[in-house]
Amino acid sequence: KNQVEQSPQSLIILEGKNCTLQCNYTVSPFSNLRWYKQDTGRGPVSLTIMTFSENTKSNGRYTATLDADTKQSSLHITASQLSDSASYICVVSEGNAGNMLTFGGGTRLMVKP
Amino acid sequence: NAGVTQTPKFQVLKTGQSMTLQCAQDMNHEYMSWYRQDPGMGLRLIHYSVGAGITDQGEVPNGYNVSRSTTEDFPLRLLSAAPSQTSVYFCASRPPGTAGARSPLHFGNGTRLTVT
Repeated sequence: KNQVEQSPQSLIILEGKNCTLQCNYTVSPFSNLRWYKQDTGRGPVSLTIMTFSENTKSNGRYTATLDADTKQSSLHITASQLSDSASYICVVSEGNAGNMLTFGGGTRLMVKP
Repeated sequence: NAGVTQTPKFQVLKTGQSMTLQCAQDMNHEYMSWYRQDPGMGLRLIHYSVGAGITDQGEVPNGYNVSRSTTEDFPLRLLSAAPSQTSVYFCASRPPGTAGARSPLHFGNGTRLTVT
């Protein structure tokens, strides 16, 4: 069964510090991997997408990496802000068309002042 | 742009009651889907639709019905609510086809349902 495992489940950091969230997957065949940010009481919003040929991609203070050989991805947040407090969800698309999605359980990040 | 709109935001039901969760999108997306989100678990697909008149089951369809009479609307019906259906429900949409599969899902802000 395809699985997406995220770690840690929760994380508390001080404002201004950096952090890295992990995503390991067993989805095959791999189409793409997307990171979503979910604020409390809201729906998830896409941060970035990683395809097979991409190793790293940045979106402001967010940098995602992908190692397709080891089936691992990470999301690095630089100089965290209070507004980064949210759940971060890793979603892997399966298949040639990428229509089948497998969701990770998310990492809940709290940034404290 | 409104995006994906879900109503109601909150709902409390008694066991055995039925209700419909509404979802509407104004982006002309053909693909629409319903997920439930439970603590400690990833979002799980309930039902999805690739266009008006076409629906299919996801991972956890039991106890739920859907229909898709228009491109814009995709309601989710709970036939006879059970405590196990206490959850947060999200509707999501995206463009159709291969290109759409590489597009992000656009989510509504959810309906928090409690069944007592």
